[in-house]
Amino acid sequence: SQTIHQWPATLVQPVGSPLSLECTVEGTSNPNLYWYRQAAGRGLQLLFYSVGIGQISSEVPQNLSASRPQDRQFILSSKKLLLSDSGFYLCAWMGQTNSPLHFGNGTRLTVT
Amino acid sequence: GESVGLHLPTLSVQEGDNSIINCAYSNSASDYFIWYKQESGKGPQFIIDIRSNMDKRQGQRVTVLLNKTVKHLSLQIAATQPGDSAVYFCAENSGGSNYKLTFGKGTLLTVNP
Repeated sequence: SQTIHQWPATLVQPVGSPLSLECTVEGTSNPNLYWYRQAAGRGLQLLFYSVGIGQISSEVPQNLSASRPQDRQFILSSKKLLLSDSGFYLCAWMGQTNSPLHFGNGTRLTVT
Repeated sequence: GESVGLHLPTLSVQEGDNSIINCAYSNSASDYFIWYKQESGKGPQFIIDIRSNMDKRQGQRVTVLLNKTVKHLSLQIAATQPGDSAVYFCAENSGGSNYKLTFGKGTLLTVNP
């Protein structure tokens, strides 16, 4: 069966520090991979998605970047965090097109 | 811009009652819709999906109805249980996209024992 791992579960970082969140998927090949952000009490905002190694599509111009160095690994990064980067970050994968997204359990990021 | 939205931000029901959560979408080109359940501190969990060539689909205790004429989607939960308490999101495939889902803001369902 397929599983998705996302870490860390919580993170507190000072303004101006770098960020690296990692997500890995097991049990599937060539998945579409996604990073979403969820503000408190709000819906999910798509940040990045990838349909293959090295292929990244950005949905929202911002202080973040994404990379896909391996087929089942997706990384969310920032060189210098802003207060507004605080939120709940969710990684997800999709197998076939037009099929459900499967989410990890998220990373709660607090920028202080 | 076009978006997916929900009519009711909160819904409170008694245990054993049926729950109905509604969602309006504005992008008529969307042809795939999904309902998710999100418990506090966790990622959204897939409940049920429906494609635009259907108007009804049933799962275990859940039914999704799609009315393309008025661009309306609903999730019905039968015999609601305390474990059903969560935020429920509808999502659409962003105007027919094969890759992207757009989510609504969510409805908080509270089940009272």
